[in-house]
Order: sequence, then structure tokens, then C-alpha cells
Amino acid sequence: NAGVTQTPKFRVLKTGQSMTLLCAQDMNHEYMYWYRQDPGMGLRLIHYSVGEGTTAKGEVPDGYNVSRLKKQNFLLGLESAAPSQTSVYFCASKVSGEQYFGPGTRLTVT
Amino acid sequence: GIQVEQSPPDLILQEGANSTLRCNFSDSVNNLQWFHQNPWGQLINLFYIPSGTKQNGRLSATTVATERYSLLYISSSQTTDSGVYFCAVEGNYGGSQGNLIFGKGTKLSVKP
Repeated sequence: NAGVTQTPKFRVLKTGQSMTLLCAQDMNHEYMYWYRQDPGMGLRLIHYSVGEGTTAKGEVPDGYNVSRLKKQNFLLGLESAAPSQTSVYFCASKVSGEQYFGPGTRLTVT
Repeated sequence: GIQVEQSPPDLILQEGANSTLRCNFSDSVNNLQWFHQNPWGQLINLFYIPSGTKQNGRLSATTVATERYSLLYISSSQTTDSGVYFCAVEGNYGGSQGNLIFGKGTKLSVKP
């Protein structure tokens, strides 16, 4: 039982490049979330999913897209990266009201 | 939406001291969680506590939902307690339902 895992751990992109962050959970949780954390801040919700095939926007969705084709995976895509998307990205899954977080992906856009 | 305020923003302790961290929230909530973000950036679940009191070793937490606050107590602090402590709440209506709203955190530094 690995919990929530994220791939990759670190990435540097140039402005305009695209990439996909992968979140995987092996706990059969229905709910999954993508957050971003900027320096000195708490986490802010980007997108979330309440089950396979469903996604919804969070507080800061602009510039991101998501997909949940399989229950255990939640993908976060950046189609055209911007310096403002430099951040640490956390994925989480939820069961019985409690959210569990992955280790994070540190993304730098130059 | 719900506002979450944590205090103090920064706290410096000598090893062995006790401390209380506070989380105020502006509306009724379904759930409340406390997290510790260690110096390596990991978010560690401390308590899932929408109401009542829980204890886990040197840490305990109390949430008084009717008065919209939660407290995290750290006793006999150790250098490994250093990091940022976040309170996060899940609203029970509207756009915040099901999603966690985070406070800005309390940065704790424990000196040996």
C-alpha cells in the first residue's frame, strides 16, 4: 500500500512547453484533488474529481486541465506553461472525510 | 467562501516548551484537519477533528465547532516538531463542499 504517489518529483519547463503530472492512489478512494502551494501560503485547490470520469474546477483552475480515466489515477496537464505556474503541486485523495496527500511535485517554469 | 485564519504566524520555542496553535474559521464546517509540513515539504496528517478532542502522543487537538475554532497543543516540543502547521476546513455548502480550504499556517521553530 503505497498511499498517494506523484510523478515526477521535480521538473523544469520553459515557457510555452506542456507537461502532465501523474497522481496515483492504491486505496480505492473515490475523491481526488490537485492543489498548488506558493511560498508562504497554504494550499489552493486547482481541480478535483468525485469519481472515475468526472472532474470539476476548484479555486484556481485557469491554465490547467485534468482527467480521471481510471479510478486510481488523476492527471494534471499544463498545455502552455507560464512562469506564474512555478509552484509545488500536491495531489490528495479522500476517504471518510479525511484527505491524504502525496509527496508533491516541484515545478519551475523559466 | 470560508475564511481560515491561523495564529500566531510564527513561533519560536526552546526544546521542551509547550505551545498552543489556533485556527479560526468563518462559517460552519463539515470537517477540519491539522497537518504538519516538515522541512522537506511533506504534508503529514495530524488530526481529523471536525469536533471534540483527540490526543496522539505529545500532540492533542480540540475543535469547538459552535464557536468556530480549533486548537492544536504541542507539549514537550522537540526539534523534529519544526515546520509549518496547517489547519484546513471543509465547508458544508456551496462551492467549498467537499474541498479543503487552508489557512496560511503557523511556522514553528524549535531550538535545541
